[in-house]
Amino acid sequence: SAVISQKPSRDICQRGTSLTIQCQVDSQVTMMFWYRQQPGQSLTLIATANQGSEATYESGFVIDKFPISRPNLTFSTLTVSNMSPEDSSIYLCSVAGRTGNYGYTFGSGTRLTVV
Amino acid sequence: GDSVTQMEGPVTLSEEAFLTINCTYTATGYPSLFWYVQYPGEGLQLLLKATKADDKGSNKGFEATYRKETTSFHLEKGSVQVSDSAVYFCALSRNTGNQFYFGTGTSLTVIP
Repeated sequence: SAVISQKPSRDICQRGTSLTIQCQVDSQVTMMFWYRQQPGQSLTLIATANQGSEATYESGFVIDKFPISRPNLTFSTLTVSNMSPEDSSIYLCSVAGRTGNYGYTFGSGTRLTVV
Repeated sequence: GDSVTQMEGPVTLSEEAFLTINCTYTATGYPSLFWYVQYPGEGLQLLLKATKADDKGSNKGFEATYRKETTSFHLEKGSVQVSDSAVYFCALSRNTGNQFYFGTGTSLTVIP
């Protein structure tokens, strides 16, 4: 399975600022996914990042707040913009196996605290 | 729509106790089913999976059987260890497409 490097692993940010999270995969993958895990809750899909096209956002998430880049088949970034304390969460990137049968591989996550 | 319902926690067990974490799903067709584990301060790791009815996934002493008749995928371990303390997530995915559904997670604490 793929190996994912995600950074930063954690950060404490001031409200109103932005943070860009990077996700690097050791193999080429068609789709990369960004999830949010709010404190004590399960994972919520933010968006699907396709190389060469706009990311597809889930209901409740918008590009202005969570812009995503996908410049090539091994790399993606998620930016959390104009942060507020409600954005304090763990953000995870993920890639799928060849099909849904193979499950997802997750990065180790970015633990974001907004103060 | 597709969904996963997972036993609420937290669960606290003594070392060597038997563990069951219930998971049921709602889905059309034949999804694949997964258990993920999240150790403190870490990301999610795939624990085990099953891709068709009656399949049994197993890993590190954990087992789960895909029961289509009861739409369940309960996680079991015969003798838990302190190192099993983590949050466990049940999940399903379609065999085609990319949507992946997670349960709410069950926190397990094993005490010596």
